[in-house]
Amino acid sequence: EDQVTQSPEALRLQEGESSSLNCSYTVSGLRGLFWYRQDPGKGPEFLFTLYSAGEEKEKERLKATLTKKESFLHITAPKPEDSATYLCAVPNQAGTALIFGKGTTLSVSS
Amino acid sequence: SQTIHQWPATLVQPVGSPLSLECTVEGTSNPNLYWYRQAAGRGLQLLFYSIGIDQISSEVPQNLSASRPQDRQFILSSKKLLLSDSGFYLCAWGDRTLVHTFGSGTRLTVV
Repeated sequence: EDQVTQSPEALRLQEGESSSLNCSYTVSGLRGLFWYRQDPGKGPEFLFTLYSAGEEKEKERLKATLTKKESFLHITAPKPEDSATYLCAVPNQAGTALIFGKGTTLSVSS
Repeated sequence: SQTIHQWPATLVQPVGSPLSLECTVEGTSNPNLYWYRQAAGRGLQLLFYSIGIDQISSEVPQNLSASRPQDRQFILSSKKLLLSDSGFYLCAWGDRTLVHTFGSGTRLTVV
């Protein structure tokens, strides 16, 4: 059973067209939800960690929010350089590693 | 500052050949170390993690093994590669917050 599900799998936006990516999780007792950005052929780069429902974090055009069942990554007025795959992850039951979703591949065209 | 080095960047190996991928971390002591694999259409799959020397846990039974000969060195190995071992291998280090810092990855193609 997938514990982390991301949607949509792919998203195409025009420059300046805001949208949101979704990450839903089924683990109990969440001990953090992590967002990463991955460019093609590179390792993921850490963006945010959220720990409690209602928490929000921002970085440039990105804002991550968290509820009890899901997290959203809002992208405001995206630019072509925001094109990447965005991954979310939660800790495994032992709290020793991360369980990743399959990611959302975002393409922003000018 | 902490840095992580992973090599080689790309590798093409025949079926049945051995494998050794190396990862080293600088600027931190006693890091948690991880090997993940990313295959087409699949998410990042945890292969091994280590919370200290001689403490390596395997998450997925397969023909891969991991070793940690030094505190900041993590090696992924195989005695005989399979076609299904192809993928993008990522090493990462983390602290108790579980924030992972990833290496640049190794693209392995088994032919």
